[in-house]
Amino acid sequence: GAVVSQHPSWVICKSGTSVKIECRSLDFQATTMFWYRQFPKQSLMLMATSNEGSKATYEQGVEKDKFLINHASLTLSTLTVTSAHPEDSSFYICSGSGGTGLSYEQYFGPGTRLTVT
Amino acid sequence: GQQLNQSPQSMFIQEGEDVSMNCTSSSIFNTWLWYKQDPGEGPVLLIALYKAGELTSNGRLTAQFGITRKDSFLNISASIPSDVGIYFCAGRTQGGSEKLVFGKGTKLTVNP
Repeated sequence: GAVVSQHPSWVICKSGTSVKIECRSLDFQATTMFWYRQFPKQSLMLMATSNEGSKATYEQGVEKDKFLINHASLTLSTLTVTSAHPEDSSFYICSGSGGTGLSYEQYFGPGTRLTVT
Repeated sequence: GQQLNQSPQSMFIQEGEDVSMNCTSSSIFNTWLWYKQDPGEGPVLLIALYKAGELTSNGRLTAQFGITRKDSFLNISASIPSDVGIYFCAGRTQGGSEKLVFGKGTKLTVNP
């Protein structure tokens, strides 16, 4: 199957600072990448969808100025949480889809645990 | 919006037992997917279903795409301790690069 990595796997930051999370497709070209957040014991909540070279499409209720998404290449997308607050603490997971062949479906990264103090 | 009803919410079984979980929807989906998530990890794709009535196996796992296109089930046979985790169903109405609708998950506990 297709492999997606995320970095860092966990991060602790102070309230008011910004944090950048990287998502990379290692063995396929991800024409579309998705960013999710997951609270404990809950399902995945889609935050935004991004296609390479285009602006991300945010889900209703997700602040685009707070969660900045960049998908500058077919193998890298980044999520920047700006001016983070404790309520932004969560598990952030990305996925990538090549839309064809073995990478037709969404393949998920291992997630990034963000704790804002 | 579209929602998936996944049941049961949790299951506690003995090693060696078979397990069944399902997802239903009021909407029609063209694709059904089943993922497994271990604690602190991202979901891993187990089975993808693309045709109504399709029955697909992956080792001890078997999943079916309901005839009405509004439901799917996942069976695990002869469960083992490493089957522990949360299983999510997901549905999609369009192509692979379109967003998924996720169920709320079934937490499986296997007692040795």
